[in-house]
Amino acid sequence: RKEVEQDPGPFNVPEGATVAFNCTYSNSASQSFFWYRQDCRKEPKLLMSVYSSGNEDGRFTAQLNRASQYISLLIRDSKLSDSATYLCGNNRLAFGKGNQVVVIP
Amino acid sequence: DTEVTQTPKHLVMGMTNKKSLKCEQHMGHRAMYWYKQKAKKPPELMFVYSYEKLSINESVPSRFSPECPNSSLLNLHLHALQPEDSALYLCASSQADRGPGELFFGEGSRLTVL
Repeated sequence: RKEVEQDPGPFNVPEGATVAFNCTYSNSASQSFFWYRQDCRKEPKLLMSVYSSGNEDGRFTAQLNRASQYISLLIRDSKLSDSATYLCGNNRLAFGKGNQVVVIP
Repeated sequence: DTEVTQTPKHLVMGMTNKKSLKCEQHMGHRAMYWYKQKAKKPPELMFVYSYEKLSINESVPSRFSPECPNSSLLNLHLHALQPEDSALYLCASSQADRGPGELFFGEGSRLTVL
């Protein structure tokens, strides 16, 4: 089983709507998690770090559920510019496949 | 603008060539990493340098040889590569004293092996 798993999607979301997706992890030793945004053929860029139960930054909210071993990312009021792949990573340097988000006009 | 700089951005090489990828970070970080990423796949960890010492080597073939001349430079020497090694090679850095995970990536070096 992969250490970090994500449903690659795509997640098609109308502009202005809310989209949420999860990242599950198998190693309970994972202490902290990170969401990265990766545009096509570009490098991943750190979006948000989660060291405790969650984090919020503007339209983006991350929630960590240690009991069920998943971390979620929610994007409110989706913009066309939010279209990207969102990678989940842990402090053990592992990444999931990413959740591809396509915001539709 | 990224503070992790990778060169070259694109590289085409034959299977008998020797080439190097270079990475420099300007953030005073003490940990640096090489990742390999193929299309529609997650980045895969290759090497970790912490305080200029190789601390993790994820059983990467010996045709990839990392070098860390100092805390801000990281090279990846390539020799006798195979076509399946074609990928995006990403360098990253992090503050080692905060633990790994919060990574800052360079733009990557896109490698094609003919």
